[in-house]
Amino acid sequence: EPEVTQTPSHQVTQMGQEVILRCVPISNHLYFYWYRQILGQKVEFLVSFYNNEISEKSEIFDDQFSVERPDGSNFTLKIRSTKLEDSAMYFCASSSTQATNEKLFFGSGTQLSVL
Amino acid sequence: GNSVTQMEGPVTLSEEAFLTINCTYTATGYPSLFWYVQYPGEGLQLLLKATKADDKGSNKGFEATYRKETTSFHLEKGSVQVSDSAVYFCALRGGSSNTGKLIFGQGTTLQVKP
Repeated sequence: EPEVTQTPSHQVTQMGQEVILRCVPISNHLYFYWYRQILGQKVEFLVSFYNNEISEKSEIFDDQFSVERPDGSNFTLKIRSTKLEDSAMYFCASSSTQATNEKLFFGSGTQLSVL
Repeated sequence: GNSVTQMEGPVTLSEEAFLTINCTYTATGYPSLFWYVQYPGEGLQLLLKATKADDKGSNKGFEATYRKETTSFHLEKGSVQVSDSAVYFCALRGGSSNTGKLIFGQGTTLQVKP
């Protein structure tokens, strides 16, 4: 089965630093998503992206966050100035359509630790 | 807005016991329903799905039936194994305010003891 790839698997950073989390979605997919999971809590939606623009974002996705598709294969999540509470597992996901019956394919995640 | 509620965990069972993890949802329209599983140290994998009322999704001995009348999608397995130990997430996608995103429940941790 095709895979969504995320790098790095672990990222440690100091509070206030910028981080970029990288994802390579499945090649023919058009819809891209970022989710996060704080340890022991639910998986929370951050943002969806289609046709080079944000389709929807949650209240978590404030001005400190941005997403980009810099080329035809990568999809990145940037946190401009990290806070302690940004420590979480971040998952990238993709799908080929917005059809409700289609699953999202998830990467294995990037564990972000902000010190 | 749309939401998903799962039973609180953790759930601890002995091998070969019967498993039920309750899931209810709130949504307008006709969403699709999913169960994802997260094994220790891994990402989210689709376990099964159902796309319309009365559909039953099944995979690896797990089953769930889309019940519109009770807005539920409970996960069941007749005989669990130690290897089933994981976190299980109920999720929905779509409904009348479909934006393509998946909405997750809070997850239920299952621990199966030999």
